[in-house]
Amino acid sequence: DAKTTQPTSMDCAEGRAANLPCNHSTISGNEYVYWYRQIHSQGPQYIIHGLKNNETNEMASLIITEDRKSSTLILPHATLRDTAVYYCIVSQNYGGSQGNLIFGKGTKLSVKP
Amino acid sequence: KAGVTQTPRYLIKTRGQQVTLSCSPISGHRSVSWYQQTPGQGLQFLFEYFSETQRNKGNFPGRFSGRQFSNSRSEMNVSTLELGDSALYLCASSLGRGVNEQFFGPGTRLTVL
Repeated sequence: DAKTTQPTSMDCAEGRAANLPCNHSTISGNEYVYWYRQIHSQGPQYIIHGLKNNETNEMASLIITEDRKSSTLILPHATLRDTAVYYCIVSQNYGGSQGNLIFGKGTKLSVKP
Repeated sequence: KAGVTQTPRYLIKTRGQQVTLSCSPISGHRSVSWYQQTPGQGLQFLFEYFSETQRNKGNFPGRFSGRQFSNSRSEMNVSTLELGDSALYLCASSLGRGVNEQFFGPGTRLTVL
């Protein structure tokens, strides 16, 4: 089962920041928080990941709470093309044998004009 | 760099038949994972191959099998097809070491009649 809890759906106005929350209260010390998204009828796309520090890349920012029990994905200026299902996943990095991603139901983000 | 390719993109089979799906990973990627996506169950992990060895397996019956070749290309096979096997089958490739960033293909849409 997925180790994360996300809201089923969210709306965001185009051009505004989209803040997508995720709870992962049972996360282990060696597990990372990953975010993927799936635009309709396409394969999932990696967005960002982090362990305990906040992370930023060209797509998004990831804010992880100090106790690591929750996180927030931020899309700073949402566009209509950001409409997708967003998945928050906790996973170990490779090094041992863990390589599969356990997807929950995700958050359906609808960006509206 | 070319992305993950999957063939065929669409497939129609009847109950009892078997099917083989193919996945070509990104050049240099040694890990290939397979996922099944259905409206009811969402995205579920099937198995992962690394250097021609199955490294991880999800909770699916033995009718689902796979293999990986020396060039990292992978195939998955489903025997004795059932109506419930109708799904989008996604392949993802990754380096298999370090960050668990997986690159997904467009998927194969399998319909079982």
